[in-house]
Amino acid sequence: EAEVAQSPRYKITEKSQAVAFWCDPISGHATLYWYRQILGQGPELLVQFQDESVVDDSQLPKDRFSAERLKGVDSTLKIQPAELGDSAMYLCASSLRTGRLNTEAFFGQGTRLTVV
Amino acid sequence: AQKVTQAQTEISVVEKEDVTLDCVYETRDTTYYLFWYKQPPSGELVFLIRRNSFDEQNEISGRYSWNFQKSTSSFNFTITASQVVDSAVYFCALSEVTTSGTYKYIFGTGTRLKVLA
Repeated sequence: EAEVAQSPRYKITEKSQAVAFWCDPISGHATLYWYRQILGQGPELLVQFQDESVVDDSQLPKDRFSAERLKGVDSTLKIQPAELGDSAMYLCASSLRTGRLNTEAFFGQGTRLTVV
Repeated sequence: AQKVTQAQTEISVVEKEDVTLDCVYETRDTTYYLFWYKQPPSGELVFLIRRNSFDEQNEISGRYSWNFQKSTSSFNFTITASQVVDSAVYFCALSEVTTSGTYKYIFGTGTRLKVLA
């Protein structure tokens, strides 16, 4: 069964260090999302790609976060420098682009980041 | 503005009891989509159901059923004869088209369901 792959599953990093997360969406899915989920809360969108283009990064803290999807397939989310408040689960999701029909997003297992 | 409210933070039931998880949404659009996801301790969000705003027919899938009522902006989820494996956090989500023509998902804060043996 096709699934969204994320790595690493867990990451511990020191404050002010750089950290990167990788996501490989389901094959053929044009839309890719990065969400952040703080413990006890729902996921919040950080950035959304359609193919290789960013279509929504309004909630991405651009002074320290960056995201890319160079060939419209896999994606990398980077934080530099990491802050204590960045500790959270980072979830990647993908969905088909089917015109006006909104299909469901499928999520990876996430990367749990702890900043110490 | 879009908003999804899951007022129940945590629910505990005994195995085999029925349980309903509430979801209330706000949107100004006439076309939108509603979803339920399950998040077990492993962390992955598992898709359960999608409902279009123009289809108010309720749906049943095994022990799961969903009640969509546009008049009250609610999309409630019922588990019949709950089992311990149903223990998880359940999220309701709303999506509507953005100005760029893509869909943006807004999640509620989730309801933690504990099913006790």
